Amino acid sequence: AQTVTQSQPEMSVQEAETVTLSCTYDTSESNYYLFWYKQPPSRQMILVIRQEAYKQQNATENRFSVNFQKAAKSFSLKISDSQLGDTAMYFCVLRNFNKFYFGSGTKLNVKP
Amino acid sequence: GAVVSQHPSWVICKSGTSVKIECRSLDFQATTMFWYRQFPKQSLMLMATSNEGSKATYEQGVEKDKFLINHASLTLSTLTVTSAHPEDSSFYICSATAQGKYTGELFFGEGSRLTVL
Repeated sequence: AQTVTQSQPEMSVQEAETVTLSCTYDTSESNYYLFWYKQPPSRQMILVIRQEAYKQQNATENRFSVNFQKAAKSFSLKISDSQLGDTAMYFCVLRNFNKFYFGSGTKLNVKP
Repeated sequence: GAVVSQHPSWVICKSGTSVKIECRSLDFQATTMFWYRQFPKQSLMLMATSNEGSKATYEQGVEKDKFLINHASLTLSTLTVTSAHPEDSSFYICSATAQGKYTGELFFGEGSRLTVL
């Protein structure tokens, strides 16, 4: 069975600081996708970053980067230079074939 | 990225009436569309998966006769909540996958907030 676990229900960070959100997953497949989505107060889901399992290099998108540890089945998200607009719920998502598995989410509060 | 438009963004209806929510892929062909329900401060709960031209596949516990899903074309899927009751009040989100240049991610609509009085 595929599962995605986010063990931090809520986190806070000061503006301009760095924060890391944790995600672990379980799958028996060797090829899959991992994503981080953010859901701000508007509730529109926005893709933050993606990682393909066969790629060893960690994905980066501007201030966002991941630490993908395939053997450990870990996929953490690092947000550098946090901004007020980063305040949102963050979901870790696993894709196997055409099925998507969502973590329970981490609510991130960026404080001024 | 690809754009998914969901309409209406919010709707209020009386108990016992039916409500239809539309989900359109504006600039791509959606091979598969997914419908989710989200309760406050919770994750997304998959209700059903629909492929163009075929019947939707519902998740366990989701009433097929209450939540009618139609995926008539590669750009449109609809969710109809039939004989709505207050317990159906929720936030409903559609999403889609695309072929071609996009790499595996889900594209989400803006969501629809349903309130049943």
